[in-house]
Amino acid sequence: QVRLVESGGGLVKPGESLRLSCAVSGLTFSDFYMSWVRQAPGKGLEWVSYISPSGSSGSPIYPADSVRGRFTISRDNAKNSLFLQMNSLRVEDTAVYYCARGHHGLEFWGQGTPVTVSS
Amino acid sequence: EIVLTQSPGTLSLSPGDRATLSCRASQSVSSNSLAWYQQKPGQAPRLLIYGASSRVTGIPDRFSGSGSGTDFTLTISRLEPEDFAVYFCQQYVGSSRTFGQGTKVEIK
Repeated sequence: QVRLVESGGGLVKPGESLRLSCAVSGLTFSDFYMSWVRQAPGKGLEWVSYISPSGSSGSPIYPADSVRGRFTISRDNAKNSLFLQMNSLRVEDTAVYYCARGHHGLEFWGQGTPVTVSS
Repeated sequence: EIVLTQSPGTLSLSPGDRATLSCRASQSVSSNSLAWYQQKPGQAPRLLIYGASSRVTGIPDRFSGSGSGTDFTLTISRLEPEDFAVYFCQQYVGSSRTFGQGTKVEIK
């Protein structure tokens, strides 16, 4: 079955960096758009970024204004993996970060990895 | 940015009741590019509906989506105990992606 497993979350200080990973199995990873979505504690959902199947067709998209220029999405199709490089982290980036398959409706999600930014 | 406003914020109903959830967009959602999700505490969201009215494989037919333009509705025809959760709408017009703030369906 389809499985997405995020890792790399943790506690960091403002201004620091973190790299999230998402290992995908049970599907042909290189066929699908992939996305990162986050959810702050007790809050709603925010779409962070999505990337095309090849990673190069069209630019990665960052629908969330607040992360543009600080976060970078990438993928390694040979390793069935999705990444999110997060730089210059802010307190307001504290959230559970989910990877998900797709870029319209997101049918498959990981369990999420928590990121806490605090001094 | 397309802002999605969901109402009501909380819906208090009993098992067997009909639930009607609203999602209103600040501008027209072209090609009915709207999805609905269910989320339970401690879990990732679950996609229910895409294209405003197409049910995902495996989703019970008591869930239905309707609407177009700026007004969309998720209807749960008869609430089962497992349906009490938070529901989000989400649009995917062009490169824009936003979610509504959610409607909590709670047991009355």
